[in-house]
Amino acid sequence: GQNIDQPTEMTATEGAIVQINCTYQTSGFNGLFWYQQHAGEAPTFLSYNVLDGLEEKGRFSSFLSRSKGYSYLLLKELQMKDSASYLCAVKNSNYQLIWGAGTKLIIKP
Amino acid sequence: SQTIHQWPATLVQPVGSPLSLECTVEGTSNPNLYWYRQAAGRGLQLLFYSVGIGQISSEVPQNLSASRPQDRQFILSSKKLLLSDSGFYLCAWSATGDSGANVLTFGAGSRLTVL
Repeated sequence: GQNIDQPTEMTATEGAIVQINCTYQTSGFNGLFWYQQHAGEAPTFLSYNVLDGLEEKGRFSSFLSRSKGYSYLLLKELQMKDSASYLCAVKNSNYQLIWGAGTKLIIKP
Repeated sequence: SQTIHQWPATLVQPVGSPLSLECTVEGTSNPNLYWYRQAAGRGLQLLFYSVGIGQISSEVPQNLSASRPQDRQFILSSKKLLLSDSGFYLCAWSATGDSGANVLTFGAGSRLTVL
């Protein structure tokens, strides 16, 4: 079967750095996405990785290792507004998006 | 720029009643359209997707149906709701064609409670 694994919940402190991991097993690979979802709202796109390595976008970075079936989302200089769920999703060989259950990130002052 | 509208935002319906959720996209042509359901603590579940007018693919057998009467309009319906239909429903669009880089953009969502 196909599955995406990510931690259910993480806690971090305002101003700190947090890394949210995602491992995947899919039938083929056509890219990995990270989305942010605030409680009660729709997911919004954060990043896309298709080649190995690190993609940086301001305070957020996303890393991919295709050989290991692994990605992480790195959030720096955490702010209270970063409290949200972070969803990892992989496009398989049929261009179907396989979604993880999401990681709820709690930021404490 | 492209925008996606989804309504209603919330609704409470009795078991056995009908359902209609509507989604429209502006600023693009021939988008791929999707209906997802999100249950608490679980990943997004794809219900239907459409690559063109009148073309609907169903991913999960259930008492829901979808229609695409116009290029940028996608409707989710049910004739008789079940308790298990409660959840957060999300409409989404992506650019036409298959491409790994096509990003899904979501509507604001519809929270359905079936009592």
